[in-house]
Amino acid sequence: QKEVEQNSGPLSVPEGAIASLNCTYSDRGSQSFFWYRQYSGKSPELIMFIYSNGDKEDGRFTAQLNKASQYVSLLIRDSQPSDSATYLCAVIVQGSYIPTFGRGTSLIVHP
Amino acid sequence: DTAVSQTPKYLVTQMGNDKSIKCEQNLGHDTMYWYKQDSKKFLKIMFSYNNKELIINETVPNRFSPKSPDKAHLNLHINSLELGDSAVYFCASSAGTGNQPQHFGDGTRLSIL
Repeated sequence: QKEVEQNSGPLSVPEGAIASLNCTYSDRGSQSFFWYRQYSGKSPELIMFIYSNGDKEDGRFTAQLNKASQYVSLLIRDSQPSDSATYLCAVIVQGSYIPTFGRGTSLIVHP
Repeated sequence: DTAVSQTPKYLVTQMGNDKSIKCEQNLGHDTMYWYKQDSKKFLKIMFSYNNKELIINETVPNRFSPKSPDKAHLNLHINSLELGDSAVYFCASSAGTGNQPQHFGDGTRLSIL
């Protein structure tokens, strides 16, 4: 059974702070990791993807992957109220076509 | 230009009816998906087609039947609608199978009365 776990939150951070979102997964064969942002009533929107251990940075976003510990994180620097949304982690196991999504973490950035 | 478009955006219907949702993508992607997102926001894959061939068919009641007339279109027909079918249905596409990120449509909010 593939499982992807996320703390449902809400995670509340002040504007300008770093928001840290975490995702753990159960299948050691997982090879592809994605972070999506979903505003209320909207569709998921790809933020970042990462395939290799280590950090990947894109603007204010950094994805961190640690395959040994089976977690992937998303850091949002200089958080803005417009970052308030649910963040979904998705994982694909090697050789599988099927992405497994976590239930998402709700992030609230307050002014 | 809308990359992945779904119609209708809202669907309100009675229990027992049959309805269809249509999806089209203009990204040139080979793979398309149907997802169901329930009231608790859990996003679960239902079907996937790659170049018109069914490659993923998760545990979904056979009242749900997908159809892909070409690789740019993926439709979902639902027979004998039940209360538990109320959800948001998302269509998505990706450049291929495996490790490709997905692009989602705006969703179809289905409400069963």
